[in-house]
Amino acid sequence: QSALTQPASVSGSPGQSITISCTGTNNDVGSYILVSWYQQHPGKAPKLIIYEVNKRPSGASTRFSGSKSGNTASLTISGLQAEDEADYYCCSFAGMSIPYVFGTGTKVTVL
Amino acid sequence: QVQLQESGPGLVKPSGTLSLTCTVSGGSISTDNWWSWVRQTPGKGLEWLGQIYHTGSTIIKPSLKSRASILVDKSENQFSLKLNSVTAADTAVYYCVRELGHSGSSLEYWGQGTLITVSS
Repeated sequence: QSALTQPASVSGSPGQSITISCTGTNNDVGSYILVSWYQQHPGKAPKLIIYEVNKRPSGASTRFSGSKSGNTASLTISGLQAEDEADYYCCSFAGMSIPYVFGTGTKVTVL
Repeated sequence: QVQLQESGPGLVKPSGTLSLTCTVSGGSISTDNWWSWVRQTPGKGLEWLGQIYHTGSTIIKPSLKSRASILVDKSENQFSLKLNSVTAADTAVYYCVRELGHSGSSLEYWGQGTLITVSS
């Protein structure tokens, strides 16, 4: 099972919106709604920000939104803020024997 | 709110066994949640290793099945990871995680992580 493909880096200015893509296959992203996204600041543990493609857990900013089309999932950050500068990872269910396959990670830079 | 804390040796010799324990506080391990181990290396990013339910049912990443085991100790509210025959490639920050619910639902609560270095 290969890692999901994300762009290595995405940048934007404060207030802008950016979108991070996450490309998988028919064996993972394309077949399940169990796609989640995680934010990780340096030296910290990842934090769940989106689950089941587009649901936000309690406490997650409403500026984060998720979507999926075919084998590609996307995370959009609206109204970019300095605190959004972090690494972002997507993750997908890939079957009962591999419930979690992670993306390669995307570094978001706020210009 | 549930909290998770990893504990382990920090340094493991090549070909040795890596043993980690995750202590759960603020809630019972016997809830309707799965519990996972995830590691992170600079070169390979995040990697899911395996998971356990409080009944003892486990799912281990296929490529690690021959080397890894996960156990639960309900009396101590803990679960653990053992990884045999370690090499330098097993050097990573290891996280224990509570899942949102069923297997694959998402990784909701994370421990702070513990760095394990494999070196002689």
